[in-house]
Amino acid sequence: DTAVSQTPKYLVTQMGNDKSIKCEQNLGHDTMYWYKQDSKKFLKIMFSYNNKELIINETVPNRFSPKSPDKAHLNLHINSLELGDSAVYFCASSQGFDRVGEKLFFGSGTQLSVL
Amino acid sequence: LAKTTQPISMDSYEGQEVNITCSHNNIATNDYITWYQQFPSQGPRFIIQGYKTKVTNEVASLFIPADRKSSTLSLPRVSLSDTAVYYCLVGERAPETYSGAGSYQLTFGKGTKLSVIP
Repeated sequence: DTAVSQTPKYLVTQMGNDKSIKCEQNLGHDTMYWYKQDSKKFLKIMFSYNNKELIINETVPNRFSPKSPDKAHLNLHINSLELGDSAVYFCASSQGFDRVGEKLFFGSGTQLSVL
Repeated sequence: LAKTTQPISMDSYEGQEVNITCSHNNIATNDYITWYQQFPSQGPRFIIQGYKTKVTNEVASLFIPADRKSSTLSLPRVSLSDTAVYYCLVGERAPETYSGAGSYQLTFGKGTKLSVIP
């Protein structure tokens, strides 16, 4: 059983298109995240949701819109895709968001390539 | 937010012990030090976490000196499958002006790329 699963694993699309990445966790965690890992391998947080509520919104273009239908799911929708959006996107979850020493559990990533 | 400094890369032969040191001069009094491992095409995976002195689990050991301004991840007798990027993280309580005020923030640095050579 995969704890944090995201789909699709690979996504190749043209500039200007709209695409979505889905994420689900079966750990019973309250908090979910989206991270972006660029070509230089920097891993940066984009969004965080706790019990379906947005708690972290980093400086991310508003073309990126996360949606959390329930606390086990956090989807990422991207409008008007640009070349610079090409990266690996990781979903993650944790038990909470405000406890010291919180541990993150990551999905296997979605490689997005914008042509 | 708190930052860490660690070597960009390290090479080691199979069977050797590998020690990766991380500096975190601004660690908060109540914060933990956490290490993650990332294999190619996978998400980071939690390895070990500690507050002070020494912590050991089935994968690694973590040594933390009394001043807690650094920590050392020790991997005993590495194998080819230990080739990965290792991240050292310390967290911080997000300030009130931050969009996630009150949340516990973990910031990933560049990590250390460990290459194990046969």
